[in-house]
This record gives sequence, C-alpha cells and structure tokens, in this order.
Amino acid sequence: EVQLVESGGGLVQPGGSLRLSCEPSGFTFSNHWMTWIRQAPGRGLEWVASINPGGSAIHYLDSVKGRFTVSRDNAKDSLHLQMNSLGAEDTAVYHCARLAGTSSIFDYWGQGTLVTVSS
Amino acid sequence: DIQLTQSPSFLTASVGDRVTVTCRASQGISDYLAWYQQKPGKAPKLLIHTASTLQSGVPSRFSGSGSGTEFTLTISSLQPEDFATYFCQQRHSYPITFGQGTRLEIK
Repeated sequence: EVQLVESGGGLVQPGGSLRLSCEPSGFTFSNHWMTWIRQAPGRGLEWVASINPGGSAIHYLDSVKGRFTVSRDNAKDSLHLQMNSLGAEDTAVYHCARLAGTSSIFDYWGQGTLVTVSS
Repeated sequence: DIQLTQSPSFLTASVGDRVTVTCRASQGISDYLAWYQQKPGKAPKLLIHTASTLQSGVPSRFSGSGSGTEFTLTISSLQPEDFATYFCQQRHSYPITFGQGTRLEIK
C-alpha cells in the first residue's frame, strides 16, 4: 500500500525557516517524480514544487522561488522541502504527493503537515 | 498562468441525485485535466485524469468529460460518501494550477 507521511511542520516566526520531510512507503520512490502542494486554512490547493526522480529537474511556483528548495535522497527514501524567509502567506497544510509516471497527475497524497507563520 | 474556474462553488443535493460540476480553463489545455475529491481533514483523492479516465478503484458513478477549455465532472447517483469538496487541476503547463473547489453538501 502506497503511503506518504509528512513531518516537520510547526509554528515559526515571520522570516524564519522550516524543513519539511516526506517519508514514502509501498512503492519504488526512486522511480517517481514527487511534488509538494499546500492548502491554506479554508482555501484551495496550491502547487508548490515538483522534482524528478534523479533530482536534476525541479519546478517551483514563482512566489517560492529563491526561498524554498525541494530535494530528495533516493538512498534514504526521503523527500524534503527547505523553506526560508517564511511569511504569513506561507501558512498552510503542506502535502507531499506522488506523480503518476512523468505526468503531473497526483495519484497518491499524504495527509499533510501544518506550517503556521506567526509572531 | 492558467486559471481554472469551477462552478458552482457550493452545491446542495440529495442522495440519488445526478450532479455536474464545471471547470473552465482560461486557455486551452487539451485534455490535461484531473479531478480530485477531498473530505475534511483528509488528503485529496484522485478521481479522474486526462479529462475522462477513471482512476483505478473509483466507482463508475463518477465520470468526466471535456477538452480545450470546458470540462465537467458528473456523479450519476450521489451516495452518502460523495459529500465532499471537488477540485479540478490542469497539468498542461507550469505552474500547475487548481480550481477553487466545489463543496457538495447534503440537502
């Protein structure tokens, strides 16, 4: 059974940093594109970043470019999102999700981890 | 960026009803559209991809259609477990974008 479990969320002050992790199981992690998608409280879904299986191709939402870095460790089966210079607009539940093949179809999602940016 | 506009934003219906949700794209996206279902406190679940392809394990009462700029999600006979929020998503080009959601509630 495919599972994705996020961790690392919490309360952080504006301008602070946080590192999220996603632990996959039930599939061959190194074969799949992965993504981070966030959902602000009571709001819709917003794609944040995607990374290819080898980590050599990464796409970011413009509003996080230069602040967020997505990475993966295929040897340890882990996905990460380093978030710097956080602002109130980054407050959201952050989900990691698996892409089906090379298309941006998100076939499995984690429950998410809540990031709250507040002083 | 490609904007996706769903209508209606809110829908009330009864068990057994047929319901349709529409998603309009600000430019043509061929059939690069997916639909997701999300229940409160849960992760979204993929229902349909490539506009009309039912994801494995999803009941056949769900169907999708459309291409270009206009798409629909239809639930042929609502079941109690279908009351949730539905989102469309385009994968035609980056940034990947989602519709604002359609909340389906019991009448």
